[in-house]
This record gives sequence, structure tokens and C-alpha cells, in this order.
Amino acid sequence: EAQVTQNPRYLITVTGKKLTVTCSQNMNHEYMSWYRQDPGLGLRQIYYSMNVEVTDKGDVPEGYKVSRKEKRNFPLILESPSPNQTSLYFCASRLAARANQPQHFGDGTRLSIL
Amino acid sequence: KQEVTQIPAALSVPEGENLVLNCSFTDSAIYNLQWFRQDPGKGLTSLLLIQSSQREQTSGRLNASLDKSSGRSTLYIAASQPGDSATYLCAVVSVQAGTALIFGKGTTLSVSS
Repeated sequence: EAQVTQNPRYLITVTGKKLTVTCSQNMNHEYMSWYRQDPGLGLRQIYYSMNVEVTDKGDVPEGYKVSRKEKRNFPLILESPSPNQTSLYFCASRLAARANQPQHFGDGTRLSIL
Repeated sequence: KQEVTQIPAALSVPEGENLVLNCSFTDSAIYNLQWFRQDPGKGLTSLLLIQSSQREQTSGRLNASLDKSSGRSTLYIAASQPGDSATYLCAVVSVQAGTALIFGKGTTLSVSS
């Protein structure tokens, strides 16, 4: 089954404790991205990757890092999480950056930073 | 800067009604427009994707139209069912904005039996 898998689904942690949210897709997609969803602000892109070893900032990249060492994986790293990063996070993938193919989303990771 | 607006923010209808959800965008230079469904605590499920050269797409009871020149899209749901209750999101890939999906804030639909 074609899917985007995120882990963990839920995480409560404390300020400053480094964490990584993993994302994996099994569709051989080139393009992957991370979004955060906040009440009243909607979904906003954090980072994206056009292909292996090619990443770039989205609209709200501050406080986040990403890497793309393999095509299927695109982890999101919070080096020193702060309470304003409490949010619902989604990983997404698409066949290619401007392909007219639908974007597929994972089930989301709800992060609470205390 | 591309902005996507969805009206209404919330909608309640009785089962069986046909309904229309609206989406508007400020910059008509788009690659495509996608409609998603989001259930509480769940991810986004892609419903329909309309390429910039297309006027509409259909899937089952869903029909999405695109009028790129006026910056509008509608999602038509026929014979609504309680299982259709969810938040519906519209998003565009804008030429100017690059590769990101630019989302509206969604319409929360409640269908009562």
C-alpha cells in the first residue's frame, strides 16, 4: 500500500531536548516536504526536498533542520525545541516537485513542548 | 503573495443535501489545485487534483471545478452523508511560490442524520 509513515504520532517533551520526527514514503517519490498546522494559521511549509541531498527552506524554517540522505526518508529535527514549536506536523510526498500528481500526506505527529 | 480563502468556515447540513464548498485564490498563475479531506486526529486525504489546464474533475459523489481566470474553485458534494463530516481543505501549487502547497484554512462540514 502506498503510504507516508511518520513516527512518533504523539510526543510530549521538554524545552531544549533534541528530538527527531521520522518520515518515510514507499512510492519512490522525489519530492518530500514538512508542514505544520496551527489553529487559525492553517498549514505552512517548513522545509522541502527536491531529491536526495537537495533541501531548502519553506515558509517557517526557524528552529528546524532536515536531511535527505535516502530517497525514501526525510526526517525533521528539532535541535532545541521550544514551546512555540508545539504543533501538529505533517510529512508529505509527491512524485516530483512540479508534477501534476497529488501530494500524499502522513497521519501527522502531534508535538507538545513543555 | 498567493492567498487561499475558503468560505464558509463551517457548514451544517441534513443528510441527503447537495452542497458546494468554495475556494478562492489571489494569483491565477497556478500549476494545479488540490482538494483534501481531514478527519479529526488524522492526516490529509487527497480527494481531487485539477491541473491548471483542466476545468473539472470528478470522483464518485464529488465534483471539483476550476476557474483559473477568476481564481475560484468549488467542490460539489452530492447526496451528502454523515460520513462526509470532516474538514475540507483547498490548496494550490503557485507558479510564483515555487513548489509548496498553499492552503486555505478549510471548511468544517457537519452532516446530520
